[in-house]
Amino acid sequence: DVKVTQSSRYLVKRTGEKVFLECVQDMDHENMFWYRQDPGLGLRLIYFSYDVKMKEKGDIPEGYSVSREKKERFSLILESASTNQTSMYLCASGRVFGQPQHFGDGTRLSIL
Amino acid sequence: KNQVEQSPQSLIILEGKNCTLQCNYTVSPFSNLRWYKQDTGRGPVSLTIMTFSENTKSNGRYTATLDADTKQSSLHITASQLSDSASYICVVSGNTGGFKTIFGAGTRLFVKA
Repeated sequence: DVKVTQSSRYLVKRTGEKVFLECVQDMDHENMFWYRQDPGLGLRLIYFSYDVKMKEKGDIPEGYSVSREKKERFSLILESASTNQTSMYLCASGRVFGQPQHFGDGTRLSIL
Repeated sequence: KNQVEQSPQSLIILEGKNCTLQCNYTVSPFSNLRWYKQDTGRGPVSLTIMTFSENTKSNGRYTATLDADTKQSSLHITASQLSDSASYICVVSGNTGGFKTIFGAGTRLFVKA
């Protein structure tokens, strides 16, 4: 069974902390994505990566960075966490450029 | 502006009944349209994907339709079950000066016994 695994289901951090969210996929997909999901809004793309060490900004990249050192792993970094970054974060992977296919179960992040 | 709008926002139906969820989009040029099911506390799972030339696609009790001329899609659920309670998300991809995938806000479906 194909899998996208996010390292934490729930995370609580403090304002100003540097936060790392990790995602691993086992399908050998070139493309990986990070989204945030907020009530009443569609998923919004933060960053995506189409190859190792390659990344593209999505619609809301401010305050975030990413790292893709290995094909199967895509990390989202909150450089200095703020309360408006409290959200559900979803990682996805896919074979076709720009299109997510399989999602992880999400990390619910609270910034206090 | 590229948009995907879903209706209704939420819906309550009795177990065993049918229902239809709507999705209107303005993404152009169009590449494909997916319907996802998202259970509470889980990530979205793809139900169907349709390209421009397809106007219907089924996955068990789920049937999606696409009218590319009017830019409308629907997801029909037959003989609903309690496990169908979830959010259903319409996602449209297109090549709009750089490839774009746009998510609707979803329809929250509650199936009651």
